[in-house]
Amino acid sequence: AQKITQTQPGMFVQEKEAVTLDCTYDTSDPSYGLFWYKQPSSGEMIFLIYQGSYDQQNATEGRYSLNFQKARKSANLVISASQLGDSAMYFCAMREESDTNAGKSTFGDGTTLTVKP
Amino acid sequence: DTEVTQTPKHLVMGMTNKKSLKCEQHMGHRAMYWYKQKAKKPPELMFVYSYEKLSINESVPSRFSPECPNSSLLNLHLHALQPEDSALYLCASSQATGRHQPQHFGDGTRLSIL
Repeated sequence: AQKITQTQPGMFVQEKEAVTLDCTYDTSDPSYGLFWYKQPSSGEMIFLIYQGSYDQQNATEGRYSLNFQKARKSANLVISASQLGDSAMYFCAMREESDTNAGKSTFGDGTTLTVKP
Repeated sequence: DTEVTQTPKHLVMGMTNKKSLKCEQHMGHRAMYWYKQKAKKPPELMFVYSYEKLSINESVPSRFSPECPNSSLLNLHLHALQPEDSALYLCASSQATGRHQPQHFGDGTRLSIL
């Protein structure tokens, strides 16, 4: 079974509007971390936001927020006030405590976001 | 500017060549990673170094040979590669390998095998 599922291969959003990118995950480990990364066409993967499984509040970083619903095992990324520079591929990733010594991260297949002017 | 520096940015090599990819970070991170990424796919983990020791080899063919000379440097030695090895190779680092540690990636090396 896939550990990270991103069901939206491609998304479009109008500039200045908000957009939600979906991510669901599967783990039996009670201790894990969830990450979102942005990858522009240039190739660099950019860390955006982190949510820990024990965190009570949703993470926020500037225009990025993470809608964490633990019982539903979802960790959706919300981008507010979209900008043209937000056009990129976005990956959701998870790191489980049981893999701590190994350093493995599991990545979803990604969502390509296109911001329209 | 990225804090993880990868060189070269582009590399074209023949199947009989030997080349190396280099990665450097000066953030004091003790975990470093090599990933392979095909177009429009997620990155695939190849190797993990933790405190300069190889902790993970994801069954990578021996034509890829990693090396971690010190805590700031990570190399990937390439020999007798195949056309299917053409991809973007990403280096990453993190403070450690804990579940709460984000990875910081370099710009990658775009590798083409002729």
